Amino acid sequence: AQKVTQAQTEISVVEKEDVTLDCVYETRDTTYYLFWYKQPPSGELVFLIRRNSFDEQNEISGRYSWNFQKSTSSFNFTITASQVVDSAVYFCALSDTYNFNKFYFGSGTKLNVKP
Amino acid sequence: NAGVTQTPKFQVLKTGQSMTLQCAQDMNHNSMYWYRQDPGMGLRLIYYSASEGTTDKGEVPNGYNVSRLNKREFSLRLESAAPSQTSVYFCASSFQGYDTGELFFGEGSRLTVL
Repeated sequence: AQKVTQAQTEISVVEKEDVTLDCVYETRDTTYYLFWYKQPPSGELVFLIRRNSFDEQNEISGRYSWNFQKSTSSFNFTITASQVVDSAVYFCALSDTYNFNKFYFGSGTKLNVKP
Repeated sequence: NAGVTQTPKFQVLKTGQSMTLQCAQDMNHNSMYWYRQDPGMGLRLIYYSASEGTTDKGEVPNGYNVSRLNKREFSLRLESAAPSQTSVYFCASSFQGYDTGELFFGEGSRLTVL
């Protein structure tokens, strides 16, 4: 069965620290997609990244970077030089390739960035 | 650029009352979804609609019904609300074609059942 585990329930860091949010997934599929979403205190969910299972290149977008490792079934998210505005709940998600309409979400990691 | 719009934003119901959450998207997406978010449980899929005229159950469909009225609109109905349905509900849409598109979410609807 498809499953996403975000073992870190809550993380607190001081501004400018680097922080990594872990995501481990389970799937029997060879083709799948992984996602990260951000949910700031205002409540809306904001898409951050989509990654195809065939593309294991790491991705960097400004202070954000993602490390995809199929060997360990992980898709970790690193924020470099964290800022207070990064405070949010972050969700990792996996799509079901037999039914692209099914997305499986982790339970989320709450990141607190203190000034 | 409205994206996904859901109403109402807040609602308080008494046990046994019914209500409908409305959702509309203006991105010409083929797929639409209803999720609920509960503390510590992430987002769980209630129902989804892969295209106009079709609906399918997700992980937690019991106690809910849905209608895909047209391509733009997807409503969620609680026929007889229960306290266990107290949650934040999110509507989402996406374009699903030969690969998986990302979900676009509404702002959420906070429902309290007393």
